[in-house]
Amino acid sequence: QVVLTQSPSASASLGASVKLTCTLSSGHSIYRYGIAWHQQQAEKGPRYLMKVNSDGSHSKGDGIPDRFSGSSSGAERYLTISSLQSEDEADYYCQTWGSGVRVFGGGTKLTVL
Amino acid sequence: EMQLVESGGGLVQPGGSLRLSCAASGFTFSHYAMNWVRQAPGKGLEWISYMSSVIRDPVHYADSVKGRFTISRDNAKNSLYLQMNSLRAEDTAVYYCARENTGSGLFDYWGQGTVVTVSS
Repeated sequence: QVVLTQSPSASASLGASVKLTCTLSSGHSIYRYGIAWHQQQAEKGPRYLMKVNSDGSHSKGDGIPDRFSGSSSGAERYLTISSLQSEDEADYYCQTWGSGVRVFGGGTKLTVL
Repeated sequence: EMQLVESGGGLVQPGGSLRLSCAASGFTFSHYAMNWVRQAPGKGLEWISYMSSVIRDPVHYADSVKGRFTISRDNAKNSLYLQMNSLRAEDTAVYYCARENTGSGLFDYWGQGTVVTVSS
């Protein structure tokens, strides 16, 4: 079964950039897995940000600013947020699926300093 | 405008039952697989159940709810359901329904959630 690993926390300054990582692990063929990134602001439900494919291409959800982008390298999938704003302070979860089950990473809490 | 609106949450005693509903609008519900996801207080997101757009296809459950929860859908009513039986304190959470992008296994739209509290 696929396992997604995320760092529990990250921080960056207002106006700076930050790159969040989601690492896939599984028995085999993990390199072909695409993932989705979801944002959850405090006291709100999750919001879909984008899909990141194994080749590094990504497609964003409706209304997601250009400041958000995705990329990929091997078993890692990335979410980069540039020109950080205060409203970007949130929990970020990666998600994928395998063998019928859907899987979330543990989430990364992003603090904007 | 696409919307997923969950309902049916509440306070229930351990061992009791609840049925959650998720009403969909703004898209062709019957074309999409759907999922239930929950979030216990202070914890991360936990996937709990999947149902294909094709009702006869196999459904899937997380081990934590297998045998106690049942997912279903009524495409004529644009609605997804989660029947929860034998509820435990550890089932206390916000429950979300989530649409799955066709063929990808990835969620692309979420509801706002409904709160389930299991306590005596």
